[in-house]
Amino acid sequence: NAGVMQNPRHLVRRRGQEARLRCSPMKGHSHVYWYRQLPEEGLKFMVYLQKENIIDESGMPKERFSAEFPKEGPSILRIQQVVRGDSAAYFCASSRGLAEGTDTQYFGPGTRLTVL
Amino acid sequence: DQQVKQNSPSLSVQEGRISILNCDYTNSMFDYFLWYKKYPAEGPTFLISISSIKDKNEDGRFTVFLNKSAKHLSLHIVPSQPGDSAVYFCAASSDRGSTLGRLYFGRGTQLTVWP
Repeated sequence: NAGVMQNPRHLVRRRGQEARLRCSPMKGHSHVYWYRQLPEEGLKFMVYLQKENIIDESGMPKERFSAEFPKEGPSILRIQQVVRGDSAAYFCASSRGLAEGTDTQYFGPGTRLTVL
Repeated sequence: DQQVKQNSPSLSVQEGRISILNCDYTNSMFDYFLWYKKYPAEGPTFLISISSIKDKNEDGRFTVFLNKSAKHLSLHIVPSQPGDSAVYFCAASSDRGSTLGRLYFGRGTQLTVWP
């Protein structure tokens, strides 16, 4: 049973370019979460999605960042006009979405974005 | 605002001894707690979790204790092994309200187990 898959593992962009990060959840998981980790910090929640729906995007910057989880295909985190401060590790997690509140999230290996 | 705190950035333990990692939280709405282990350049790996209706959960060498009144949890690793050397993150979530689903993470504790 494959785990959460993310690609690319490493992404280098120049300031002003666009970055697209992909995440395929574990088999049987319909909930996807994106987190960002800055150096020397813990992971910070960005967005929570189900298929074709954004459930909570309150952790995402209001501008330049967007996320989707289409009916078919992986979830995409898109960063437009990247700036040096966007350099970080971006982790995707997935879960089954259990209703009773003991829903464990499993993480992918992350995408390390470097903005030159 | 840091709702989950790991106040020890590092811990060094001899192989075979007990490792105790601590975590404090401030939000009384949290009702599910998890520990993740992370190696450099990899994603966090789920270790063990505990629901707020319990005060202890055990899985092999790993035991998590929850003290709700003190808003404190700890992870015990016995016996510690060199392969346990990693960064350990404490995380918490609530199944109620607008923050349903999101995990709040501490900053992590670097555990080093030496032979």
